Amino acid sequence: NAGVMQNPRHLVRRRGQEARLRCSPMKGHSHVYWYRQLPEEGLKFMVYLQKENIIDESGMPKERFSAEFPKEGPSILRIQQVVRGDSAAYFCASSLGQAQVYEQYFGPGTRLTVT
Amino acid sequence: AQSVSQHNHHVILSEAASLELGCNYSYGGTVNLFWYVQYPGQHLQLLLKYFSGDPLVKGIKGFEAEFIKSKFSFNLRKPSVQWSDTAEYFCAGGSQGNLIFGKGTKLSVKP
Repeated sequence: NAGVMQNPRHLVRRRGQEARLRCSPMKGHSHVYWYRQLPEEGLKFMVYLQKENIIDESGMPKERFSAEFPKEGPSILRIQQVVRGDSAAYFCASSLGQAQVYEQYFGPGTRLTVT
Repeated sequence: AQSVSQHNHHVILSEAASLELGCNYSYGGTVNLFWYVQYPGQHLQLLLKYFSGDPLVKGIKGFEAEFIKSKFSFNLRKPSVQWSDTAEYFCAGGSQGNLIFGKGTKLSVKP
């Protein structure tokens, strides 16, 4: 049973470019969460999605960041016009459903470097 | 504001020493608490969780944690650490679906 998959594992972008991070949840999981980890910091919640719905985006920066989880395919975290401060590790997690929404399984992360 | 804090940034122990990592949370309502571990080069793995019931929770690899409501604490313990326990440990809590993480504690175990 494959775990949460994220790709790419490493992504390098120049300032001003767009970054697209993909997350495929565990089989059967319909809830996806995105977290960001800055150096020497714990993970910070960004957004919580179900299929075709954003449930909670209270941790998302107001500009340049967006997330989606379409009916088919992976969840996408999109960062437009990246800046150096966006360099971080971005982790995706998934959970089975509402009753077990708190038990989250994490992917390996995408390390974004903005040059 | 909801928060989770971990007391120690870096802990160094010799093999067979006992371990206790501190974690405090500050939020009311439903309390769900977790300890995750991140081994070098790997992703976060769930060690144990507390939702309700018995406040002493047993997890994988000989770890346990005790929920003490009066102290708002959820400390992680292991009676005898091994070199393979070298990793970063994160305490997390949540009541709304998303998780609030502490900053993590790096554990280094000397062989």
